[in-house]
Amino acid sequence: SAVISQKPSRDICQRGTSLTIQCQVDSQVTMMFWYRQQPGQSLTLIATANQGSEATYESGFVIDKFPISRPNLTFSTLTVSNMSPEDSSIYLCSVDRGGYGYTFGSGTRLTVV
Amino acid sequence: EDKVVQSPLSLVVHEGDTVTLNCSYEVTNFRSLLWYKQEKKAPTFLFMLTSSGIEKKSGRLSSILDKKELFSILNITATQTGDSAIYLCAVGPNSGYALNFGKGTSLLVTP
Repeated sequence: SAVISQKPSRDICQRGTSLTIQCQVDSQVTMMFWYRQQPGQSLTLIATANQGSEATYESGFVIDKFPISRPNLTFSTLTVSNMSPEDSSIYLCSVDRGGYGYTFGSGTRLTVV
Repeated sequence: EDKVVQSPLSLVVHEGDTVTLNCSYEVTNFRSLLWYKQEKKAPTFLFMLTSSGIEKKSGRLSSILDKKELFSILNITATQTGDSAIYLCAVGPNSGYALNFGKGTSLLVTP
């Protein structure tokens, strides 16, 4: 199955700043998915990133707050902008590996102070 | 609206016990049901189920899907403290779409 390298692993950021999270996949994939997991909660889909077109955002998530880039079929970034303490979460990227299920990156634990 | 419901939400057992975790779903498009174990940050893949009545097994873990009744169970026999984790159930729609997750079951296995 695919290996996804995600970084940073963790970060502590000041409110009002931005953080960019990167995911690199070891093979080409059409779709990449970005999730957020707030403390004590399950995974919530932020957006789907398709190479060559704008990301598709779920209800409650907007491009100005969570801009996504997908420059090629193996790489994507998610930026968390103008952060507040409510953005403290684990952020995960994921790809669909067909018969092998969905694979996740190692996750980014973000704390906003 | 698509729903994935897991029960119980939390569970405390003693080492050696057998546990059964439940997952029911109502989704518009169904391709597969997946179980994941989450210990720290990233969920790790356990099983993917697409057909009813066929049990998937890996060591002490097993899972089965009932597509008629729209549920799945995950069994863990002879539990160990290393089984302590959050177990997530997710339903995968058609290819190219993201997973829809349940809230998870938090399992604690005490010595």
